[in-house]
Formats: sequence, structure tokens, C-alpha cells
Amino acid sequence: GAVVSQHPSRVICKSGTSVKIECRSLDFQATTMFWYRQFPKQSLMLMATSNEGSKATYEQGVEKDKFLINHASLTLSTLTVTSAHPEDSSFYICSARGASLGEAFFGQGTRLTVV
Amino acid sequence: GESVGLHLPTLSVQEGDNSIINCAYSNSASDYFIWYKQESGKGPQFIIDIRSNMDKRQGQRVTVLLNKTVKHLSLQIAATQPGDSAVYFCAESQGAQKLVFGQGTRLTINP
Repeated sequence: GAVVSQHPSRVICKSGTSVKIECRSLDFQATTMFWYRQFPKQSLMLMATSNEGSKATYEQGVEKDKFLINHASLTLSTLTVTSAHPEDSSFYICSARGASLGEAFFGQGTRLTVV
Repeated sequence: GESVGLHLPTLSVQEGDNSIINCAYSNSASDYFIWYKQESGKGPQFIIDIRSNMDKRQGQRVTVLLNKTVKHLSLQIAATQPGDSAVYFCAESQGAQKLVFGQGTRLTINP
């Protein structure tokens, strides 16, 4: 299947700082990218959907000013967690989907720990 | 957000037996469904998908069944192996819209 690379895989940051997570589709054009958050022993919670060149669509309850999403090209989307707090610690996962509207391919995930 | 689960249900099977994992989806307008496998600390891995114009699809050792009448999806794994131990999620989408995950089921294999 297609490859989606997510970086970094782990990050520890201080409370109040911002963290950027990158998601790249390596061998296909990702017209749509999804960002998820996953708490231990729970399912993936969709945070936002972004289409290349458009503003992201955020799910209810997700603060768009705190979780900044940029999808400037067909191969790259970024999620920036601004002014991170310990409660933002979680596993963040990106997913990319091509124009064929078939399966979505997932990155390896980023474990964020805010101390 | 959607699909926020509580504690994951668990399915335990004997090695070599068949496993059946069930999922109830929420949106009657969903037209595309996917099963993913997630191992600890990793992102979800695609297993098999099915579109709403089908009710059954087979892959290698896996079969997905779709019942649109009751909005139910199942994943059958034949001859379950230790490497099948993971959490399994179903996901649904409608056209180009968001891909929403179900609660998930933890599959454990007994030797």
C-alpha cells in the first residue's frame, strides 16, 4: 500500500510551548488528510479533516486556534499544538487519502508528552 | 469529536480457530467501510475494505460482511494466528467526507 510518513514519532515538550507534527504522503497525492487523537485503550477520535489548499474542517469540541492544521501541498499536512498543556498529551495520528476516495493510509503516529 | 470509545471490548480465541469481530456503524448514508488493525504504539494498518454496493468481500484469510439493513459490519479472520493479536477498528465514510472510527475490539490469541 501507499506510504504515509509522520514525524516526529515521539516528542516531549514543556508546558506552554508549541509542537509541530508533520504528515507526508510519499508516493501518492493526498487530496484529503485526517488528523486523529487517541487516548490509551480508546478509539481514534477525529479532530479535523483538511483538503489541500482549503481550511481544515474541525470536529465539534476541537479548538481550531489550539490545533492549527495546514495542508499547503498534496503531499504535506502539519498539525501544530499551540501552547501545549499536560492534558494535550496523547497519541496523534494522521491519515491521507487520494482522489480515488479509497482507503486512507495512516502515519506511524506521534506520542506527545507535555511536562 | 466522534467515536470516542470507553474501554475496548476484548475477544479471546484459540490459535487456529476463526475469529469474528463485529462493528455497528452510525451513519446510514456511509458508503465505504474499512477494517484496520492497530498494534501497540503504531498507527492503524489497512486490512480490507468494502463499498456499500456489496455485502461480502474476501481477502487473504479475512472476510468482511456488510449488512446495511441493521448497519452492521463484521470481520472474519480464518485460522487465527498469534500475529493477529491487535486492536481492530472499523471505519466508515460517506463520499469524500470524514473517516470515522468505531469503538475497536482487542483480539487476543490463546496458545
